[in-house]
Amino acid sequence: NAGVTQTPKFQVLKTGQSMTLQCAQDMNHNSMYWYRQDPGMGLRLIYYSASEGTTDKGEVPNGYNVSRLNKREFSLRLESAAPSQTSVYFCASRTLSGTSTDTQYFGPGTRLTVL
Amino acid sequence: SQQGEEDPQALSIQEGENATMNCSYKTSINNLQWYRQNSGRGLVHLILIRSNEREKHSGRLRVTLDTSKKSSSLLITASRAADTASYFCATVKAAGNKLTFGGGTRVLVKP
Repeated sequence: NAGVTQTPKFQVLKTGQSMTLQCAQDMNHNSMYWYRQDPGMGLRLIYYSASEGTTDKGEVPNGYNVSRLNKREFSLRLESAAPSQTSVYFCASRTLSGTSTDTQYFGPGTRLTVL
Repeated sequence: SQQGEEDPQALSIQEGENATMNCSYKTSINNLQWYRQNSGRGLVHLILIRSNEREKHSGRLRVTLDTSKKSSSLLITASRAADTASYFCATVKAAGNKLTFGGGTRVLVKP
């Protein structure tokens, strides 16, 4: 099992450019999440997908869109990148089993710089 | 806004010492989780404690939860250099709801 994979690992964009961050998980999890982490801070939720076919806004959704392509894949799109979107982006998937299990598994992250 | 706030923000100890960090939160929760993040890596789940539990152990980790004070603590005993990382608490308000992360505690364990 590869767990949660993200591509690319690094990206530099100019202001106004667009790009899509890809995320895939092979653990058959229903829920997937996109977070951003700014220097010295915790994670802030951008968007999440509780199950295939559904997406919901998190704490900081402005400037982003998402697509839950299928159960495995959840992509994050920046339509017009801004310097304020310079951050490290993490994708996660979550296993929930009644009341006994609740764990998020994280990908390695994408370091994005917007000039 | 962040539900959990960790204290201290940074901690430096010698190998073999214990490390204690605290997390405070604002609203009632279903469970609280602790994660570790090594530099430049994703987060790794350490332990989960439910609102009806007061203490849990996992190896060298001990977590307590005081719902009356809306706080939790993570104790790492007999620390090792490999424990150097940032540690985050995350709260879940209701079963199945999303996690809300705190700002983290950076722990440096000196050999």
